[in-house]
Amino acid sequence: SQKIEQNSEALNIQEGKTATLTCNYTNYSPAYLQWYRQDPGRGPVFLLLIRENEKEKRKERLKVTFDTTLKQSLFHITASQPADSATYLCALDADAGNMLTFGGGTRLMVKP
Amino acid sequence: DAGITQSPRHKVTETGTPVTLRCHQTENHRYMYWYRQDPGHGLRLIHYSYGVKDTDKGEVSDGYSVSRSKTEDFLLTLESATSSQTSVYFCAISGGGSANEKLLFGSGTQLSVL
Repeated sequence: SQKIEQNSEALNIQEGKTATLTCNYTNYSPAYLQWYRQDPGRGPVFLLLIRENEKEKRKERLKVTFDTTLKQSLFHITASQPADSATYLCALDADAGNMLTFGGGTRLMVKP
Repeated sequence: DAGITQSPRHKVTETGTPVTLRCHQTENHRYMYWYRQDPGHGLRLIHYSYGVKDTDKGEVSDGYSVSRSKTEDFLLTLESATSSQTSVYFCAISGGGSANEKLLFGSGTQLSVL
């Protein structure tokens, strides 16, 4: 069966450290993968999109990698801040051109 | 959220009653989506639209219908609400060259079916 897996347990890190979140998938051949941030009581907010032919993408303190051989994306937040505390969702098109499918999300807690 | 609004934000209803949720956008985007979000299941696609009067089913469409008579409005209807449809419902839009690029989500509707 097709699956997108994110660590369902909360990730707790100290302010200033790098947070690394994982998104693994099976039985998909996505053309791209996206990351979203969701705060309690709010809708997800788009952060980054990485295409299948891109290994890495950066935006300010954010970095995403995409390994289609391992079927995995890593999402990094460097110099993390308490304001980065939120749930982070990965999403991909189940097959190229199809609708987005979301992972369950990982909650990140950054402690001061 | 700028460019997309959902109404109502909260609704409590009884089993068996019809419910309609509204999504309104001011971005003139082609694609509109309805998702539901439940603990343990994440976001799941209910229905989507790729143009006026053009809609299709998503992963969890049973018990739901949609309509899009204008570019800016996408309605989700629960014909006869059930307790299993208690959830948070999100509308999203995208206007890129292909579906799915950079979704913009609304703030959600918390629906409770008693």
